[in-house]
Amino acid sequence: GAGVSQTPSNKVTEKGKYVELRCDPISGHTALYWYRQSLGQGPEFLIYFQGTGAADDSGLPNDRFFAVRPEGSVSTLKIQRTERGDSAMYLCASSPHYTYNEQFFGPGTRLTVL
Amino acid sequence: AQSVTQLDSQVPVFEEAPVELRCNYSSSVSVYLFWYVQYPNQGLQLLLKYLSGSTLVESINGFEAEFNKSQTSFHLRKPSVHISDTAEYFCAVSDRGSSNTGKLIFGQGTTLQVKP
Repeated sequence: GAGVSQTPSNKVTEKGKYVELRCDPISGHTALYWYRQSLGQGPEFLIYFQGTGAADDSGLPNDRFFAVRPEGSVSTLKIQRTERGDSAMYLCASSPHYTYNEQFFGPGTRLTVL
Repeated sequence: AQSVTQLDSQVPVFEEAPVELRCNYSSSVSVYLFWYVQYPNQGLQLLLKYLSGSTLVESINGFEAEFNKSQTSFHLRKPSVHISDTAEYFCAVSDRGSSNTGKLIFGQGTTLQVKP
């Protein structure tokens, strides 16, 4: 079956602009995670959804970052007033349930803020 | 708070040689342990995991890792590497306690470069 997909694969924007990054999880997976990976670093946790609700958003760096999952499937990560420091690879992962202990990752969206 | 340290950023090795990628973690609670692999131009994939039971876990492509609680380590080994093993390897932990949400804490990654 289809894996996790993320769109766009690349996004270039200017400082101060608003961006949206989309994640389509594997069908039926209730748990969804967003991570951010800077060059030369491991992924860093941003937010976790169980169903429609954000069960853990402790990794969001500040209030410019927000994520939604209104129907418990597709999720959108939203970044307001982008800064150059937001440039990174944004990864989405899904899992049948948070206790499943295996996350399936998408290919990522590379965000570049000029 | 939890943290993961991968002691080597790059490991060059010749084909058919053995390799060990080191991983140490720090945590105030019990954890689950994982190794993920990222092949060039591909997404992260689970390589192996330790949840409970035998401290030695194996992958289908010949890698193994051993959980050492006293040394808080989860080193990854393979007795004979192939060119196709060239990739970025990430060690990760997640909380196994009551606050477990499945979120992963990753190390910085180790690039395994297998040379012919």
